[in-house]
Amino acid sequence: TQLLEQSPQFLSIQEGENLTVYCNSSSVFSSLQWYRQEPGEGPVLLVTVVTGGEVKKLKRLTFQFGDARKDSSLHITAAQPGDTGLYLCAGAEGGYQKVTFGTGTKLQVIP
Amino acid sequence: GAVVSQHPSWVICKSGTSVKIECRSLDFQATTMFWYRQFPKQSLMLMATSNEGSKATYEQGVEKDKFLINHASLTLSTLTVTSAHPEDSSFYICSAPRAKNIQYFGAGTRLSVL
Repeated sequence: TQLLEQSPQFLSIQEGENLTVYCNSSSVFSSLQWYRQEPGEGPVLLVTVVTGGEVKKLKRLTFQFGDARKDSSLHITAAQPGDTGLYLCAGAEGGYQKVTFGTGTKLQVIP
Repeated sequence: GAVVSQHPSWVICKSGTSVKIECRSLDFQATTMFWYRQFPKQSLMLMATSNEGSKATYEQGVEKDKFLINHASLTLSTLTVTSAHPEDSSFYICSAPRAKNIQYFGAGTRLSVL
């Protein structure tokens, strides 16, 4: 079973601060996805990164896929209370849609 | 709007009863769907892959006789928790891939077994 370790597990910051969430594995993935999940709801896809070294930006969120396609990071600039939620990375193998989820990072942004 | 519908969103049942959860892809066909379980403050754990027209593929440690999966059509997969017990209480989530690297999740079903 492939493991995706996320760090930190919990993060509580003030509005306006920056933060980075890491997703690490010993396995190589063909693609890596980031999701945000709110309590009582299913995960919502934020981004998919495919190419080693790829960087994608989504407004204040910056996603990076490691060169070796084993790790990824999510950086949020000027966090807002609306960013509060559980952030999950998920790795996919080949063209198959089966993904393995990371351990999760619970983010709380305090107004 | 939602592209994957999951029903019910919340169910409470007595110990020993069976509960069926439905997962529908609303405007696309899905030959494969996935079922996950999520315990409080934890990540999603894949339980099984639902395959239209064939048997589901279960992850290691998941009892196939307890968690029955039926992929009845190209838009519907069901998960039946048989003889539910309190330890089966959890948040169950389905997903359906629409295209490569694009997967949509249902809103989840919270199961409480008394």
